Amino acid sequence: DTGVSQNPRHKITKRGQNVTFRCDPISEHNRLYWYRQTLGQGPEFLTYFQNEAQLEKSRLLSDRFSAERPKGSFSTLEIQRTEQGDSAMYLCASSTAGTRRETQYFGPGTRLLVL
Amino acid sequence: GESVGLHLPTLSVQEGDNSIINCAYSNSASDYFIWYKQESGKGPQFIIDIRSNMDKRQGQRVTVLLNKTVKHLSLQIAATQPGDSAVYFCAENIRGSNYKLTFGKGTLLTVNP
Repeated sequence: DTGVSQNPRHKITKRGQNVTFRCDPISEHNRLYWYRQTLGQGPEFLTYFQNEAQLEKSRLLSDRFSAERPKGSFSTLEIQRTEQGDSAMYLCASSTAGTRRETQYFGPGTRLLVL
Repeated sequence: GESVGLHLPTLSVQEGDNSIINCAYSNSASDYFIWYKQESGKGPQFIIDIRSNMDKRQGQRVTVLLNKTVKHLSLQIAATQPGDSAVYFCAENIRGSNYKLTFGKGTLLTVNP
Protein backbone atom coordinates (compact mmCIF):
# COMPACT_ATOMS: atom_id res chain seq x y z
CA ASP A 1 0.00 0.00 0.00
CA THR A 2 1.59 3.27 -1.09
CA GLY A 3 -0.98 5.61 0.46
CA VAL A 4 -0.77 7.67 3.62
CA SER A 5 -0.80 5.53 6.75
CA GLN A 6 -1.57 6.52 10.33
CA ASN A 7 -1.11 4.74 13.63
CA PRO A 8 -2.83 3.94 15.84
CA ARG A 9 -6.25 3.93 14.20
CA HIS A 10 -8.00 4.29 17.52
CA LYS A 11 -6.86 5.60 20.89
CA ILE A 12 -8.78 5.79 24.15
CA THR A 13 -7.12 7.65 26.96
CA LYS A 14 -7.95 9.25 30.27
CA ARG A 15 -8.00 12.98 30.72
CA GLY A 16 -4.57 14.30 31.63
CA GLN A 17 -2.62 11.59 29.81
CA ASN A 18 -0.27 12.24 26.90
CA VAL A 19 -0.84 10.64 23.51
CA THR A 20 1.26 10.46 20.35
CA PHE A 21 0.11 9.71 16.82
CA ARG A 22 2.21 8.81 13.83
CA CYS A 23 1.76 9.58 10.14
CA ASP A 24 3.70 8.05 7.26
CA PRO A 25 3.09 10.07 4.09
CA ILE A 26 3.30 8.89 0.51
CA SER A 27 7.02 8.32 -0.01
CA GLU A 28 7.78 10.99 -2.60
CA HIS A 29 5.65 13.68 -0.95
CA ASN A 30 7.57 16.43 0.82
CA ARG A 31 4.56 18.29 2.20
CA LEU A 32 2.67 16.95 5.22
CA TYR A 33 -0.43 18.34 6.89
CA TRP A 34 -2.31 17.56 10.10
CA TYR A 35 -6.03 18.23 10.40
CA ARG A 36 -8.59 17.63 13.11
CA GLN A 37 -12.14 16.56 12.41
CA THR A 38 -15.01 16.50 14.90
CA LEU A 39 -18.28 14.70 14.33
CA GLY A 40 -20.37 16.24 11.58
CA GLN A 41 -17.74 18.78 10.61
CA GLY A 42 -15.17 19.06 7.89
CA PRO A 43 -11.47 18.70 8.70
CA GLU A 44 -9.76 21.77 10.21
CA PHE A 45 -6.13 22.60 9.51
CA LEU A 46 -3.71 22.21 12.40
CA THR A 47 -0.18 22.40 11.02
CA TYR A 48 1.96 21.98 7.91
CA PHE A 49 5.47 20.71 7.18
CA GLN A 50 7.60 21.10 4.10
CA ASN A 51 10.29 18.49 4.47
CA GLU A 52 11.35 18.71 8.13
CA ALA A 53 10.40 22.36 8.58
CA GLN A 54 7.14 23.20 10.32
CA LEU A 55 6.01 26.23 8.34
CA GLU A 56 2.61 27.01 9.76
CA LYS A 57 0.53 26.30 12.86
CA SER A 58 -3.15 27.02 13.35
CA ARG A 59 -4.50 28.86 16.36
CA LEU A 60 -6.26 25.56 17.06
CA LEU A 61 -2.88 24.10 17.96
CA SER A 62 -2.57 25.03 21.62
CA ASP A 63 0.71 24.73 23.51
CA ARG A 64 -0.35 21.23 24.58
CA PHE A 65 0.04 20.11 20.98
CA SER A 66 3.38 19.54 19.31
CA ALA A 67 4.21 18.08 15.94
CA GLU A 68 7.51 16.97 14.50
CA ARG A 69 8.87 15.62 11.26
CA PRO A 70 12.49 14.97 12.19
CA LYS A 71 13.83 13.54 8.96
CA GLY A 72 11.31 14.91 6.54
CA SER A 73 9.57 11.57 6.26
CA PHE A 74 7.14 10.41 8.97
CA SER A 75 5.56 12.86 11.39
CA THR A 76 4.30 12.63 14.95
CA LEU A 77 1.60 14.65 16.66
CA GLU A 78 1.70 14.68 20.46
CA ILE A 79 -1.02 15.96 22.73
CA GLN A 80 -0.02 16.55 26.34
CA ARG A 81 -2.45 16.62 29.27
CA THR A 82 -5.35 15.57 27.10
CA GLU A 83 -8.75 17.12 27.65
CA GLN A 84 -12.18 15.79 26.71
CA GLY A 85 -12.40 18.50 24.06
CA ASP A 86 -9.45 16.89 22.28
CA SER A 87 -11.66 13.96 21.31
CA ALA A 88 -11.74 13.97 17.52
CA MET A 89 -10.40 12.29 14.41
CA TYR A 90 -6.84 13.40 13.65
CA LEU A 91 -6.08 13.25 9.96
CA CYS A 92 -2.79 13.43 8.16
CA ALA A 93 -2.43 14.36 4.51
CA SER A 94 0.52 14.66 2.16
CA SER A 95 1.23 16.28 -1.17
CA THR A 96 4.09 16.61 -3.61
CA ALA A 97 6.10 19.69 -4.49
CA GLY A 98 5.46 19.28 -8.18
CA THR A 99 2.68 20.44 -10.43
CA ARG A 100 0.10 18.58 -8.33
CA ARG A 101 1.30 20.24 -5.15
CA GLU A 102 -2.12 21.37 -4.04
CA THR A 103 -3.63 17.91 -4.15
CA GLN A 104 -3.61 16.43 -0.68
CA TYR A 105 -4.11 12.74 -0.05
CA PHE A 106 -5.41 11.76 3.33
CA GLY A 107 -4.69 8.85 5.59
CA PRO A 108 -7.37 6.86 7.43
CA GLY A 109 -7.07 8.99 10.56
CA THR A 110 -6.57 8.32 14.24
CA ARG A 111 -9.74 8.51 16.28
CA LEU A 112 -9.04 9.81 19.79
CA LEU A 113 -11.46 9.46 22.67
CA VAL A 114 -10.57 11.19 25.92
CA LEU A 115 -12.52 9.93 28.91
CA GLY B 1 -17.38 32.18 9.73
CA GLU B 2 -16.58 29.44 7.26
CA SER B 3 -15.35 30.38 3.82
CA VAL B 4 -16.68 27.20 2.26
CA GLY B 5 -20.21 25.98 2.89
CA LEU B 6 -22.84 23.69 1.49
CA HIS B 7 -26.45 24.42 0.58
CA LEU B 8 -27.87 21.05 1.65
CA PRO B 9 -26.68 18.85 4.48
CA THR B 10 -28.32 15.67 3.07
CA LEU B 11 -29.20 14.33 -0.35
CA SER B 12 -31.13 11.15 -1.05
CA VAL B 13 -31.28 9.69 -4.56
CA GLN B 14 -32.34 6.50 -6.27
CA GLU B 15 -29.74 4.15 -7.65
CA GLY B 16 -29.04 5.03 -11.26
CA ASP B 17 -30.06 8.67 -10.94
CA ASN B 18 -27.63 11.53 -11.31
CA SER B 19 -26.60 13.38 -8.14
CA ILE B 20 -25.66 17.02 -7.81
CA ILE B 21 -23.92 18.28 -4.69
CA ASN B 22 -23.45 22.02 -4.32
CA CYS B 23 -20.92 24.15 -2.52
CA ALA B 24 -20.55 27.90 -2.04
CA TYR B 25 -17.35 29.69 -1.21
CA SER B 26 -16.78 33.29 -0.28
CA ASN B 27 -13.06 33.95 -0.71
CA SER B 28 -12.27 35.41 -4.12
CA ALA B 29 -8.60 34.53 -3.56
CA SER B 30 -9.44 30.81 -3.68
CA ASP B 31 -7.69 29.35 -6.69
CA TYR B 32 -8.01 25.60 -6.31
CA PHE B 33 -10.86 23.36 -5.24
CA ILE B 34 -11.13 19.68 -4.39
CA TRP B 35 -14.01 17.34 -3.81
CA TYR B 36 -13.50 14.58 -1.28
CA LYS B 37 -15.63 11.56 -0.42
CA GLN B 38 -15.57 10.33 3.15
CA GLU B 39 -17.06 7.04 4.23
CA SER B 40 -17.82 6.35 7.85
CA GLY B 41 -14.67 5.82 9.91
CA LYS B 42 -12.33 6.56 7.00
CA GLY B 43 -10.25 9.48 5.86
CA PRO B 44 -11.33 11.77 3.00
CA GLN B 45 -10.76 10.23 -0.41
CA PHE B 46 -9.81 12.46 -3.35
CA ILE B 47 -12.43 12.51 -6.10
CA ILE B 48 -11.69 15.38 -8.45
CA ASP B 49 -10.16 18.83 -8.41
CA ILE B 50 -10.38 22.00 -10.44
CA ARG B 51 -8.29 25.13 -10.72
CA SER B 52 -9.84 28.57 -10.82
CA ASN B 53 -8.83 29.08 -14.46
CA MET B 54 -11.24 26.31 -15.48
CA ASP B 55 -15.04 26.10 -15.53
CA LYS B 56 -15.49 22.37 -15.83
CA ARG B 57 -13.53 19.20 -15.33
CA GLN B 58 -14.64 15.64 -15.91
CA GLY B 59 -13.54 12.39 -14.39
CA GLN B 60 -14.95 8.92 -14.39
CA ARG B 61 -18.69 9.38 -13.68
CA VAL B 62 -17.98 12.70 -11.96
CA THR B 63 -17.96 16.28 -13.20
CA VAL B 64 -17.03 19.39 -11.28
CA LEU B 65 -18.39 22.76 -12.35
CA LEU B 66 -16.99 26.06 -11.10
CA ASN B 67 -18.84 29.34 -11.40
CA LYS B 68 -16.50 32.05 -10.20
CA THR B 69 -19.03 34.80 -10.79
CA VAL B 70 -21.29 33.53 -8.03
CA LYS B 71 -18.56 31.61 -6.17
CA HIS B 72 -20.29 28.28 -6.59
CA LEU B 73 -18.97 24.80 -7.06
CA SER B 74 -20.86 21.62 -7.84
CA LEU B 75 -20.12 17.93 -8.07
CA GLN B 76 -22.18 15.85 -10.44
CA ILE B 77 -22.18 12.08 -10.09
CA ALA B 78 -23.63 10.17 -13.01
CA ALA B 79 -25.57 6.92 -12.55
CA THR B 80 -25.21 7.02 -8.77
CA GLN B 81 -24.49 3.69 -7.15
CA PRO B 82 -24.97 2.45 -3.56
CA GLY B 83 -21.20 2.59 -3.15
CA ASP B 84 -21.37 6.34 -3.68
CA SER B 85 -23.17 6.75 -0.35
CA ALA B 86 -20.89 8.88 1.82
CA VAL B 87 -20.29 12.42 3.04
CA TYR B 88 -18.94 14.69 0.33
CA PHE B 89 -16.80 17.71 1.17
CA CYS B 90 -15.65 20.51 -1.01
CA ALA B 91 -12.40 22.13 0.03
CA GLU B 92 -10.66 25.24 -1.18
CA ASN B 93 -7.10 26.44 -1.28
CA ILE B 94 -6.66 30.15 -0.80
CA ARG B 95 -3.82 31.56 -2.86
CA GLY B 96 -0.77 32.16 -0.70
CA SER B 97 -2.00 30.00 2.18
CA ASN B 98 0.69 27.29 2.02
CA TYR B 99 -1.82 25.08 0.21
CA LYS B 100 -3.73 24.29 3.36
CA LEU B 101 -7.32 23.38 2.63
CA THR B 102 -10.46 24.93 4.09
CA PHE B 103 -13.38 22.52 4.25
CA GLY B 104 -17.11 22.98 4.46
CA LYS B 105 -19.38 20.88 6.63
CA GLY B 106 -20.18 18.25 4.03
CA THR B 107 -23.24 16.74 2.37
CA LEU B 108 -24.44 13.26 3.25
CA LEU B 109 -25.39 11.40 0.08
CA THR B 110 -27.64 8.39 0.49
CA VAL B 111 -28.29 6.16 -2.51
CA ASN B 112 -31.41 4.06 -2.28
CA PRO B 113 -31.41 0.73 -4.16
